[in-house]
Amino acid sequence: NAGVMQNPRHLVRRRGQEARLRCSPMKGHSHVYWYRQLPEEGLKFMVYLQKENIIDESGMPKERFSAEFPKEGPSILRIQQVVRGDSAAYFCASSLRGGTYEQYFGPGTRLTVT
Amino acid sequence: TQLLEQSPQFLSIQEGENLTVYCNSSSVFSSLQWYRQEPGEGPVLLVTVVTGGEVKKLKRLTFQFGDARKDSSLHITAAQPGDTGLYLCAAQPSSNTGKLIFGQGTTLQVKP
Repeated sequence: NAGVMQNPRHLVRRRGQEARLRCSPMKGHSHVYWYRQLPEEGLKFMVYLQKENIIDESGMPKERFSAEFPKEGPSILRIQQVVRGDSAAYFCASSLRGGTYEQYFGPGTRLTVT
Repeated sequence: TQLLEQSPQFLSIQEGENLTVYCNSSSVFSSLQWYRQEPGEGPVLLVTVVTGGEVKKLKRLTFQFGDARKDSSLHITAAQPGDTGLYLCAAQPSSNTGKLIFGQGTTLQVKP
């Protein structure tokens, strides 16, 4: 399967814990995007990364959220000190070229904060 | 703030009927995409339209991009239960940003 991989598919965290979401882009893709889908809301852009660089983080909450895409390994979206409002589906997408509309999405990670 | 408004939000029809979903904005976009999302899964790209007035067909689905590149429509002919899902339009506000803006989606239910 050469599609975008995300893990875990489901993640349960207690308030105050840390959540780490992983995304492996499609083979050959070096551009990764993270989106969040809150219950009853549409997909919202969070951050756009290229290998070792953050290109656009205009959608990221200012505190507790961070993202990275190292030279080796998957992209990581990290949420520190999770709160109930962080419960959502987090989707990763990847593209072959930067700034392109051809983004392919992974199956998502459903985060539940108890 | 650039917004994409989809209508209708919910649509429940019988197998064999035709339907149209609309995606409108007051902004001009360099491209517009339609995705389909099933429960518990990520969005799957159906089509990308780039040129104003462009029409693309994918089997029973017809996609159109408005002449002014501000709106789009998705028409399904002879809907089938397998068409059931959430249909999302998305657009890139300007080239090379990487960011996609999504509409709130149209939930389609096709009853056998």
